Amino acid sequence: DAGVTQSPTHLIKTRGQQVTLRCSPKSGHDTVSWYQQALGQGPQFIFQYYEEEERQRGNFPDRFSGHQFPNYSSELNVNALLLGDSALYLCASSPLKPGQRSYEQYFGPGTRLTVT
Amino acid sequence: RKEVEQDPGPFNVPEGATVAFNCTYSNSASQSFFWYRQDCRKEPKLLMSVYSSGNEDGRFTAQLNRASQYISLLIRDSKLSDSATYLCVERSGGSNYKLTFGKGTLLTVNP
Repeated sequence: DAGVTQSPTHLIKTRGQQVTLRCSPKSGHDTVSWYQQALGQGPQFIFQYYEEEERQRGNFPDRFSGHQFPNYSSELNVNALLLGDSALYLCASSPLKPGQRSYEQYFGPGTRLTVT
Repeated sequence: RKEVEQDPGPFNVPEGATVAFNCTYSNSASQSFFWYRQDCRKEPKLLMSVYSSGNEDGRFTAQLNRASQYISLLIRDSKLSDSATYLCVERSGGSNYKLTFGKGTLLTVNP
């Protein structure tokens, strides 16, 4: 059973450029959330997708946008990159079903983005 | 006040020790809580869910005190493999929920 997968694993971009990160959720999961984790900090919630719609958003500017596809995979796009966008970007998936276990999120290995 | 605050750490303990982490949250409407562990340069992994007054899983015990708005994690008989950063997490928002993570507490278990 494949877990959450993300690509690429590492990426180096220049200020002002745009980047697209990809995520495939765990089998049986239909909800995808994205997080940004700076060094020494906990993950910060960016947004969550379910049924191809953004359902919840954290305190991130509009430069951060996303998409979810019919097969539940998702993309995170960041425009006009800033040095401060350098971080580990984590994708997490969870099933959206009744019951206590539906809110547990399972993380992918992340994409480490460096902006120079 | 930050939404989720954890013991700043780091904690250095010998093998076999019992160690406890505390976490406070500011959102009284928080619906559930989790503990994740994160190894260096790896993704967070779910350790325990905390849904009611608390629960136990082997050497790990999580407790929730809604009146005081804090959660704790107790690790008994620490192993070298328990060395990691422990993240306290709060869920809010109903079905369109979000998870809010604390900054994490670093634990090193020494031989």
